[in-house]
Amino acid sequence: EVQLVESGGGLVKPGGSLRLSCGASGFTFSNAWMTWVRQAPGKGLEWVGRIKSKTDGGTTDYAAPVKGRFTISRDDSRNTVYLQMNSLKTEDTAVYFCTTDGAYWGQGTLVTVSS
Amino acid sequence: SYELTQPSSVSVSPGQTARITCSGDVLAKKYARWFQQKPGQAPVLLIYKDSERPSGIPERFSGSSSGTTVTLTISGAQVEDEADYYCHSAADNNWVFGGGTTLTVL
Repeated sequence: EVQLVESGGGLVKPGGSLRLSCGASGFTFSNAWMTWVRQAPGKGLEWVGRIKSKTDGGTTDYAAPVKGRFTISRDDSRNTVYLQMNSLKTEDTAVYFCTTDGAYWGQGTLVTVSS
Repeated sequence: SYELTQPSSVSVSPGQTARITCSGDVLAKKYARWFQQKPGQAPVLLIYKDSERPSGIPERFSGSSSGTTVTLTISGAQVEDEADYYCHSAADNNWVFGGGTTLTVL
């Protein structure tokens, strides 16, 4: 059974940093492209970014609102993908989901950016 | 950047057919997916490649495409189908979601 479990969310002040993790099981993680999607309270889904598998280059792409502030990385030995969030803004407040390119999703972790 | 446009809400009575449209120029050249999301839950993939249904998704959910518009059809909508529905596509190494449609079945 495929499982994705996000962790690392919490309350952080504007300008602060946070690192989210997404642990995966039930599939060959090293072959998977992994994506982060967020959802602000009461709003729709918003793509954050994606990392390709190492065999496909391991490259990353980001949505315009987070480019230069967020970094996605992966540790295939730990079956984990990370989302490093720096220079956080109040508008980054959202539930952050990881997904295996849309087919499977974690339950999400809430990030609240507030003073 | 690409945009996908959906109606904000659709209402049907139980047993009726619900249709949710999604429009955008990218849909003329890229596949669409549809996701269902219920309150407090993660999205669930309902349709991929415009009209393919993953295993486990009920047959009453179907997708179709015509030009720059894709349509999610729920034949014989049930009360448990009340949810938010999002269309999605991908182009130029970016994902884009529609704004979401709230389906009410009552």
